[in-house]
Amino acid sequence: QLQLQESGPGLVKPSETLSLTCTVSGGSISSSTYYWGWIRQPPGKGLECIASIDYSGSTYYKPSLKSRVTISVDTSKNQFSLNLSSVTAADTAVYYCARWVSRSSWKAFDIWGQGTMVTVSS
Amino acid sequence: EIVLTQSPGTLSLSPGERVTLSCRASQSVSSSYLAWYQQKPGQAPRLLIYDASSRATGIPDRFSGSGSGTDFTLTISRLEPEDFAVYYCQQYDSSPAVTFGGGTKVEIK
Repeated sequence: QLQLQESGPGLVKPSETLSLTCTVSGGSISSSTYYWGWIRQPPGKGLECIASIDYSGSTYYKPSLKSRVTISVDTSKNQFSLNLSSVTAADTAVYYCARWVSRSSWKAFDIWGQGTMVTVSS
Repeated sequence: EIVLTQSPGTLSLSPGERVTLSCRASQSVSSSYLAWYQQKPGQAPRLLIYDASSRATGIPDRFSGSGSGTDFTLTISRLEPEDFAVYYCQQYDSSPAVTFGGGTKVEIK
């Protein structure tokens, strides 16, 4: 059974870089059917897809965040990572990693990690 | 970027009632790329419906999705106690972009 687990600091200072890693277990990250994405949810608010990547390194970035976001994949470790630079309090959120099914017939996030809370504060 | 508007923001209902949730897109969305998720407090979202009307693995048949173009609906035929949650629609378009609606909270009356 495929599982995803986020890891990274729970507290980041303003102007610094937020770095998170998602470890995929129970299956391979190297499949052309899937992308691997990061979604965040500020406290009490809705969901926002930040970025996604496939095993070959093909990426998608939310346009409004593109200048600050980098997503990468390490197939040898079955992991993918998110870097978000120059963070402010507005970046405080629960960050989820998830698997994106990318079929011609349908697309959706079908498996999610449990999420990790990241607070931006000095 | 396509904007998804969900209505109403909150629904107060009793177990056993039928629920209809709306998701309206600012531009036409491919039905194949419209999904619905359920989120309970403190939990990650769970995929309920993909391809606008296909139930994900393990989802009870009281959940159904329909719609096309700019108007989509999630229906719960008979509310169970475990169905009280927030529901989000989500779309993918070829720009490419993935966007979520603002959510509808279904609460116990």
